[in-house]
Amino acid sequence: DGGITQSPKYLFRKEGQNVTLSCEQNLNHDAMYWYRQDPGQGLRLIYYSQIVNDFQKGDIAEGYSVSREKKESFPLTVTSAQKNPTAFYLCASNDGQETQYFGPGTRLLVL
Amino acid sequence: AQKITQTQPGMFVQEKEAVTLDCTYDTSDPSYGLFWYKQPSSGEMIFLIYQGSYDQQNATEGRYSLNFQKARKSANLVISASQLGDSAMYFCAMREHRGGADGLTFGKGTHLIIQP
Repeated sequence: DGGITQSPKYLFRKEGQNVTLSCEQNLNHDAMYWYRQDPGQGLRLIYYSQIVNDFQKGDIAEGYSVSREKKESFPLTVTSAQKNPTAFYLCASNDGQETQYFGPGTRLLVL
Repeated sequence: AQKITQTQPGMFVQEKEAVTLDCTYDTSDPSYGLFWYKQPSSGEMIFLIYQGSYDQQNATEGRYSLNFQKARKSANLVISASQLGDSAMYFCAMREHRGGADGLTFGKGTHLIIQP
């Protein structure tokens, strides 16, 4: 089945540690996105990529980094510079039409 | 200033009644798109409906319709004949034309609870 997968479902981070969230899609979509959702809030854009080897900062990129080496994959690294990383992280992709489709999300918790 | 405003933090509705979820937006871009997503307790974001700023007709998708009032910058979601499974968070979102596949701006959501 075509879709977007995110792993892990839950992730725990220790102080000062970098962690990487995986996002994979087999929809052959060019554009991919990362959003952050805090409790009781809407989603905020972290990074997006319109094409392989290119990506752009969103509204809250500080403390995060991404890569786009393959069309299918858009991993997000939460660095130690992100002081408040506890949140629900959602990955999405777009086929060049209007609609973004989302993966199931990863919940990141700080120990 | 908020770009997407959802003024109803929570709503209780009786099963089988119609529901209107409010959304107002703010943009100076003449080309934009408006979306509604449903987020059940599992966390996934489910696309419901889309309205383009140049679309002449209001969008409809099954039991969902979007009441688009461009002059008022309003894009309310209407759910007809509500069902227990409609209980979820609902988010209004906007894409402004910034030249390409740019991200969405989301409102804070409305928590809809359908009562039997």
